[in-house]
Amino acid sequence: NAGVMQNPRHLVRRRGQEARLRCSPMKGHSHVYWYRQLPEEGLKFMVYLQKENIIDESGMPKERFSAEFPKEGPSILRIQQVVRGDSAAYFCASSNRQSYNEQFFGPGTRLTVL
Amino acid sequence: GENVEQHPSTLSVQEGDSAVIKCTYSDSASNYFPWYKQELGKRPQLIIDIRSNVGEKKDQRIAVTLNKTAKHFSLHITETQPEDSAVYFCAANTGGFKTIFGAGTRLFVKA
Repeated sequence: NAGVMQNPRHLVRRRGQEARLRCSPMKGHSHVYWYRQLPEEGLKFMVYLQKENIIDESGMPKERFSAEFPKEGPSILRIQQVVRGDSAAYFCASSNRQSYNEQFFGPGTRLTVL
Repeated sequence: GENVEQHPSTLSVQEGDSAVIKCTYSDSASNYFPWYKQELGKRPQLIIDIRSNVGEKKDQRIAVTLNKTAKHFSLHITETQPEDSAVYFCAANTGGFKTIFGAGTRLFVKA
């Protein structure tokens, strides 16, 4: 009964590099959500995807950030030219089609930008 | 859009006492209210949820109440134990995909 999987768990990048974060939803789940959590803060919605479609990206910065959920494989959150302010925990959650507001979270990727 | 406010930001209780965390929401269309517990360095985990067609739900030592008229909902933990120490997040959802989270309450249970 595998839950939501994320990798890597920890990622260190230097300013200007790219970060690629991966999320595999729970079996049977076709909806993926990405959240960002800054230290000592709550979870901020970034983007909601279904297979091959971005449904809502209103919480994602317009520049440097992109997300995809291809037909095959995990969802990817990509951050180009990272800056120190991108350092945070990035959580992905998934839900199924029947109950899409009941979201189950992955373990998160902790991104540190040096 | 929806806005969720959560109080207090920090709560310290003695083991065995009760803890209450309160949240308010702005969008009257919200109809699903989950509560998540996040231990240090771990993922948020759903501990209880309530839908707008009920006013109260209980699961062992935790309970949630909902007042739709006042647009607030609360988490109650009775007989607190040290392992209840964590950050608790309330959230609101209008039945769609976007869940809006409160800022969190850091609960300390002193043995």
